[in-house]
Amino acid sequence: DAKTTQPTSMDCAEGRAANLPCNHSTISGNEYVYWYRQIHSQGPQYIIHGLKNNETNEMASLIITEDRKSSTLILPHATLRDTAVYYCIVRVISASTLGRLYFGRGTQLTVWP
Amino acid sequence: NAGVTQTPKFQVLKTGQSMTLQCAQDMNHEYMSWYRQDPGMGLRLIHYSVGAGITDQGEVPNGYNVSRSTTEDFPLRLLSAAPSQTSVYFCASIPAAGDFRNEQFFGPGTRLTVL
Repeated sequence: DAKTTQPTSMDCAEGRAANLPCNHSTISGNEYVYWYRQIHSQGPQYIIHGLKNNETNEMASLIITEDRKSSTLILPHATLRDTAVYYCIVRVISASTLGRLYFGRGTQLTVWP
Repeated sequence: NAGVTQTPKFQVLKTGQSMTLQCAQDMNHEYMSWYRQDPGMGLRLIHYSVGAGITDQGEVPNGYNVSRSTTEDFPLRLLSAAPSQTSVYFCASIPAAGDFRNEQFFGPGTRLTVL
C-alpha cells in the first residue's frame, strides 16, 4: 500500500521549473514524505524528504501543504537528464521501518528540449 | 567506495533452477533491502535486514530466502525459480543507525528472466 497518489505522466520544457504533485491524504503525524527518482533501467536515487516544513537541497525543493495532505516536488531548472520516473513515498521514521520503502507507480517526467 | 554492487547484471534461468543474486556494500551500512520491479510497476520490497544476523519479510517474500552473515553482504536466493519471478531486482543499503531518516542507496540491478 503506497498511500500516495501521483499523476501518471508530466512534461516540462528544458530550463523551466518542473512541479510534481503528490497526494497523501491519509498521512499520519509521524510520517515523512520522501521523493526518489529512477532514470531508465537504473536503481532509484534519493532526492529529498520532509516532515512538515518546506525543504530545499541542491537537487530540488519540497513544498508540503499545511495540512500535510499533499506535497509538490520542484525541480527549479529542469534538464534533459531529469527525465525519469519520480516516486513520492510516505513512511514512519523508526528502526523497524528503516529498510522498508513502499513505491507506487510514480510520475514519468519527460523534459523536452 | 564502490557503493552498492550487484552480480550478475543479467541472468536467464529455467523453471525449477536455483540461484543466488549477490549484493555487497562497502559503506559499512547496517541496513540492507531487496526489491523487485516488474515492467511498468514501482518497486516492491522482498526482504530486508536491519543488521548482521537479522532479516525480515517485506511485501512479496514468497519464493525467496535471504541471510545476513556479514554487514557487507546480503544475498537473495531463489530455491526453485518460476516464470513469475522474471523481474529486475534491486538491492539497497542505508547508513548506520542513529538517524532513521537516512536515505537508501540502490545498486544497479540484476535483470532476471525465468523461462
